[in-house]
This record gives sequence, C-alpha cells and structure tokens, in this order.
Amino acid sequence: DAKTTQPTSMDCAEGRAANLPCNHSTISGNEYVYWYRQIHSQGPQYIIHGLKNNETNEMASLIITEDRKSSTLILPHATLRDTAVYYCIVRLHGSSNTGKLIFGQGTTLQVKP
Amino acid sequence: NAGVMQNPRHLVRRRGQEARLRCSPMKGHSHVYWYRQLPEEGLKFMVYLQKENIIDESGMPKERFSAEFPKEGPSILRIQQVVRGDSAAYFCASSPTGYGEQYFGPGTRLTVT
Repeated sequence: DAKTTQPTSMDCAEGRAANLPCNHSTISGNEYVYWYRQIHSQGPQYIIHGLKNNETNEMASLIITEDRKSSTLILPHATLRDTAVYYCIVRLHGSSNTGKLIFGQGTTLQVKP
Repeated sequence: NAGVMQNPRHLVRRRGQEARLRCSPMKGHSHVYWYRQLPEEGLKFMVYLQKENIIDESGMPKERFSAEFPKEGPSILRIQQVVRGDSAAYFCASSPTGYGEQYFGPGTRLTVT
C-alpha cells in the first residue's frame, strides 16, 4: 500500500470548515483513499473513502486531486466533538490484498471554541 | 444493527497469566481484524480472520499470541504468559467483505501488573 503524509496537528475554530490534507504521491491506479478518525482512545471510526471522484456523506467530503497524488478531507462545520486524530490510509481492494489497515501517525485536529 | 462488541472492556492480569479477549462482529460480517495500540503509539495490525480461517497473521508476535474465529461464537485473541509490554488497547474490526470499510469495536484495555 502507498505511503501517506499528513501534518502532525491542526487547529480549527468551532463552526468553521476543517480541511485536512493528505499526500499520497505513490498511489497506484487501483488504490483507494480512506479516512478514519479516533476520538480520545475510542475505537477508530470510518469516515469516508474514494477512488478518484469526489465523495460526500453525512460526515464529510473527500476531495481527490485529478492526479490522485493528494486529497483533502473536509468537515464542513467542525464541532468540539470532532476533536480527534484523523488518519488518511491508502489501500487496495480485491483478493490480492488482505484488507488490513496500515495506520500512520495521523493529524491531531483540535477544534477550539 | 448492533455494532462490533468487545469484552471485557478492561482486563487486568498479573505477569504470567493468560488473557482472552473476545470480539463479536457486526451481524452479517464474516471478516474480523485485530489491531493493537500500545501507550502513546499508533494502531498496528495484528491478524485478519474469516470464519474458521486465519488469512493474514503477519502482525502477530511469534510467540504467546494466537487468534481464532470459530464457526459459531466470537473471535478470540489469546495471549499466554502475559508480560508488562502486552499492556495496550486491543481493537477488533469487522467487515462484510475483505475490503471496504471496517467497523471498530470500543476496544479492550489490557493492563499487566
């Protein structure tokens, strides 16, 4: 699976959009971009994933650049409960991959009142 | 649909004892993953199981650790002769397929005294 690079930490004001970047310059054509978060030692929570098109769900939006070398997770209206470590993970789909998630250090997002 | 369940949530063992951690996947999920998070460290993959089969155990320590996912009942992660270095949070995740999103349980916090 391709390696990802994320900033160590970010701050965001409550009510504003939080934009979390991720670089994955070695991503291959059949690798997906996944985002998870971990709130204060709870179990990680799945947020969103995508291949090349932008994706949106009730939690967030995922913007993937056209060359797929980077992506941005957007939390449109951050709340204090969004304070967490956010992980960007690149992984294959299909029988050649066992599906395990390789977690990096992630980005610690601090939402401030 | 109940989420992934893990028990116990907290487990205290003395050095040399055995620890058994249980994971009940979400209904309809036949793929289970175990991850470990040592204090102040990131999440590390341990093992991936389907019903009655170990698919990938590349992250399991070579000794004292074993995992199973029987045809009936929960998945079990077993640690024999625990040592202080085994103190960690152990998370399991389940998935309906071997790829796609994984849903995590709340974790078992193992403390070895």
